[in-house]
Amino acid sequence: SAVISQKPSRDICQRGTSLTIQCQVDSQVTMMFWYRQQPGQSLTLIATANQGSEATYESGFVIDKFPISRPNLTFSTLTVSNMSPEDSSIYLCSVEGGFSKTPYEQYFGPGTRLTVT
Amino acid sequence: AQSVSQHNHHVILSEAASLELGCNYSYGGTVNLFWYVQYPGQHLQLLLKYFSGDPLVKGIKGFEAEFIKSKFSFNLRKPSVQWSDTAEYFCAVNNAGNMLTFGGGTRLMVKP
Repeated sequence: SAVISQKPSRDICQRGTSLTIQCQVDSQVTMMFWYRQQPGQSLTLIATANQGSEATYESGFVIDKFPISRPNLTFSTLTVSNMSPEDSSIYLCSVEGGFSKTPYEQYFGPGTRLTVT
Repeated sequence: AQSVSQHNHHVILSEAASLELGCNYSYGGTVNLFWYVQYPGQHLQLLLKYFSGDPLVKGIKGFEAEFIKSKFSFNLRKPSVQWSDTAEYFCAVNNAGNMLTFGGGTRLMVKP
């Protein structure tokens, strides 16, 4: 399988600031996704990062709060804007397609643990 | 909207005990089913998956899961757990689109 890396692995940020999280895959993939895992909870899909076009957001998530870029088939960024303590979560990137010949099979990055004070 | 339920939030077992973790989903159409595992300090890994065919699927590390369509269930099993199976287990469902819906997770602790 491909190697998926995320930067930073963790960060502590002040409220009102923004943080950009990077996701890098070592091979081209069809789909890239961003999830949030709040403390003690399961994973929730934030959006699908579309290459060359605007991301597709799930209900409850908006572009102004979570702008996403995907300039090519191996890289994506998620920005958490104007942060509040409620944004403290683990943010995960996942990928599908490309190295995995099986559709709908997603592989996850190591996650970015964000704490907002 | 589809939903996924995992009945047990925390499970504690002794080594060599048998394991069964429940997973039920709400979507009535064609589904793809997954179990993911997250070991302490590690990232989420795919344990096994079901797309079609034999409803009993085998994954890594001796895990298996059975898809019972009539019960909308995809329970995870292992005949004899080891201390190294201590982890959090997530059931996930995809309705042939791209969106993966996760259950709430089950924390398994195996006592040596």
